Amino acid sequence: DTGVSQNPRHKITKRGQNVTFRCDPISEHNRLYWYRQTLGQGPEFLTYFQNEAQLEKSRLLSDRFSAERPKGSFSTLEIQRTEQGDSAMYLCASSTPGLAGDISYEQYFGPGTRLTVT
Amino acid sequence: GENVEQHPSTLSVQEGDSAVIKCTYSDSASNYFPWYKQELGKRPQLIIDIRSNVGEKKDQRIAVTLNKTAKHFSLHITETQPEDSAVYFCAASRGSYIPTFGRGTSLIVHP
Repeated sequence: DTGVSQNPRHKITKRGQNVTFRCDPISEHNRLYWYRQTLGQGPEFLTYFQNEAQLEKSRLLSDRFSAERPKGSFSTLEIQRTEQGDSAMYLCASSTPGLAGDISYEQYFGPGTRLTVT
Repeated sequence: GENVEQHPSTLSVQEGDSAVIKCTYSDSASNYFPWYKQELGKRPQLIIDIRSNVGEKKDQRIAVTLNKTAKHFSLHITETQPEDSAVYFCAASRGSYIPTFGRGTSLIVHP
């Protein structure tokens, strides 16, 4: 499978614990996005990387959240001191940079990591 | 920033009927409008997209129309089938800006 992969698929943790998720994008894609999705909502943007540089972070991303993309390949999203409100599906997506200019391209989503904080 | 509104939130149709989902956007500079389908427990997948230089695009039973003046775009599914049942999301973006997603429409096709 050459698509976007995410691990783990499910994570149950107790409030206050730290969790880390991993995303492996499509190999030739240099843009990588993290989203959070709750029931009945569309994906909400969290953060975005172009290669290893984190270019944008949402206001939704509190200081308990941190993301990295060392070497511009896979990415990790860590949530420290989890809260029940963090329970959600965390989606990763990647896209090609395409040509220079004002052009957007399709995002390829991973299967997501479902986080449940008890 | 961009704001995308999507309606209806739920759409129930009989097999064979047509389904229409509408989205409006606020940023007149947005120029890329994808539609994603998300089946229960699965990842969102692109089904069709349209850029601002065209007004309509078709792919078999699926079509998307764009009205730049009114800043709205719509997804049309004809001859619906039970396997079309899913949540559909619209989005709007421009260049390298982050896409903004609508809240989704749950389409239910009754056999």
